[in-house]
Amino acid sequence: KAGVTQTPRYLIKTRGQQVTLSCSPISGHRSVSWYQQTPGQGLQFLFEYFSETQRNKGNFPGRFSGRQFSNSRSEMNVSTLELGDSALYLCASRGDRDEQYFGPGTRLTVT
Amino acid sequence: AQSVTQPDIHITVSEGASLELRCNYSYGATPYLFWYVQSPGQGLQLLLKYFSGDTLVQGIKGFEAEFKRSQSSFNLRKPSVHWSDAAEYFCAVGLNFGNEKLTFGTGTRLTIIP
Repeated sequence: KAGVTQTPRYLIKTRGQQVTLSCSPISGHRSVSWYQQTPGQGLQFLFEYFSETQRNKGNFPGRFSGRQFSNSRSEMNVSTLELGDSALYLCASRGDRDEQYFGPGTRLTVT
Repeated sequence: AQSVTQPDIHITVSEGASLELRCNYSYGATPYLFWYVQSPGQGLQLLLKYFSGDTLVQGIKGFEAEFKRSQSSFNLRKPSVHWSDAAEYFCAVGLNFGNEKLTFGTGTRLTIIP
């Protein structure tokens, strides 16, 4: 079956703008998690959605938000972008018994 | 809170040599343990996982890892590395199955020399 897809793959934004990233999980998977990867902080958990409800949340400011749709697709939004938000944003999906499968990520550059 | 330590930032090995990447975790109970690999510009690929049972787990691409409770370790091994194994390797811990919040180590970059 098809893997986790993330769009767009690359994005350049300016400070103060907002951005929306999209993640389509593996068919049948209801859990979607988001991670931020930076050289300085490494891989950090942002949040997880399951059946359209946020089930877990990491330690990120309220500028980072997300949602999940009835088809399990998920979006994350970052408002008022800062230079430090430049990162690779990874999405992972999980089925009822499987481990997490990661997408290729969206590379966000904030200038 | 749980934590993961990968003490080696960068390791260089010759092609055909054996490999061991170290991972130590801190958690009060037995966690769920994972090793992921990331090639440049790519997402993470799961190599293997430990939930319970046999402490020696086999993964893809010829990798294995051993869970040692007494040492709070979950080291990754491969008897003979290939040039294509050059990548960054991450150890991760999860609290329990169904809790998706994985805590990752800082990663070990593996370089293979001919």
